[in-house]
Amino acid sequence: NAGVTQTPKFRVLKTGQSMTLLCAQDMNHEYMYWYRQDPGMGLRLIHYSVGEGTTAKGEVPDGYNVSRLKKQNFLLGLESAAPSQTSVYFCASSYHRDTANYGYTFGSGTRLTVV
Amino acid sequence: DAKTTQPNSMESNEEEPVHLPCNHSTISGTDYIHWYRQLPSQGPEYVIHGLTSNVNNRMASLAIAEDRKSSTLILHRATLRDAAVYYCILLWDSGSARQLTFGSGTQLTVLP
Repeated sequence: NAGVTQTPKFRVLKTGQSMTLLCAQDMNHEYMYWYRQDPGMGLRLIHYSVGEGTTAKGEVPDGYNVSRLKKQNFLLGLESAAPSQTSVYFCASSYHRDTANYGYTFGSGTRLTVV
Repeated sequence: DAKTTQPNSMESNEEEPVHLPCNHSTISGTDYIHWYRQLPSQGPEYVIHGLTSNVNNRMASLAIAEDRKSSTLILHRATLRDAAVYYCILLWDSGSARQLTFGSGTQLTVLP
């Protein structure tokens, strides 16, 4: 089925370790986003990309890096994981034109625990 | 940034209509009103959106006030599968991408 796929679905890291979360979409969307969701809270934007090779900071970018080397993939990296980065991470994508007429498609999330 | 205000929680009986309110008094003329829902342990799911006129789709209806300072998501016949957190979001333009700004949403409980 077409959509947004996130890998891995679960991960436990030790403080200081690094990892990369992968987001892949097969809808030919230009825009891609990474959000985090903490318990009892709404989603907060970490970084986003408006096209291949471009990225921009969102609301809570500190401690994260991103790359968009291919249009269909958006990677979120944690260089040195901290317990404060324990969260559920969601990737989303959207068309660059008439975004409001199509909405956003979200992945099912990656649950990350940093111990 | 334009913000939205929603009740923290609402209850509904199964098979009855549900009206989920949202206030957005600082909305600007180009902000779209989007609704998403999030079922337990899942990612958000697009429900409906609008700009000025009321909108209907297979999932729900969206009623937008004439002054656009409030809107209401209408689920015509609530089912147990509609139990979720519903987010009312204003879609704003950062200059290079329209971004979703999520609030805390309304937790909808559907009673059998």
